[in-house]
Amino acid sequence: DAKTTQPPSMDCAEGRAANLPCNHSTISGNEYVYWYRQIHSQGPQYIIHGLKNNETNEMASLIITEDRKSSTLILPHATLRDTAVYYCIVRGGGANSKLTFGKGITLSVRP
Amino acid sequence: DAGITQSPRYKITETGRQVTLMCHQTWSHSYMFWYRQDLGHGLRLIYYSAAADITDKGEVPDGYVVSRSKTENFPLTLESATRSQTSVYFCASNPHSSYNEQFFGPGTRLTVL
Repeated sequence: DAKTTQPPSMDCAEGRAANLPCNHSTISGNEYVYWYRQIHSQGPQYIIHGLKNNETNEMASLIITEDRKSSTLILPHATLRDTAVYYCIVRGGGANSKLTFGKGITLSVRP
Repeated sequence: DAGITQSPRYKITETGRQVTLMCHQTWSHSYMFWYRQDLGHGLRLIYYSAAADITDKGEVPDGYVVSRSKTENFPLTLESATRSQTSVYFCASNPHSSYNEQFFGPGTRLTVL
């Protein structure tokens, strides 16, 4: 059973913010939200993760709703190189928890 | 500064043949993983290893064998390849179980005829 749901695709204009939504309504208290992306023909790349607070790093920002049932990954100034499949993953914090990749959302950045 | 490498990058084989995909990491990470990626399925975990000589099954282990005699290597063997094993295979590693980022290799594209 998928723990996250994402729309299959979206696009945005270069230079604009890309807001990628993710629903995880069954998330439990000790589970984190992770985002990875996969540029065509490459291995996935870690972007960011969070538990309940909003997070920001050099690549992106992660906004998690107060009830933790959904989140949004924000790429503040999308470039053509950000065109990729973005995976939202819910992962437990335990020693044996694994990353489970769904189908992700395909982001197309247009010039 | 090689990081994590996979070989071969491309492989064509025939049904019934044995194939071994290699994964090598230079970081001495404890954990290593094998995933396969097929259209419509995203990435699925095949096997993982917490340390040398410790391996465990993932979501889709049938038809695959792994070993981990050295920390830096984690080969994946298809003992008798089938067409359904045509896929792109990714190896990944991270330092320990609670580390947040998995580092992925470039992938091996395997075609079974």
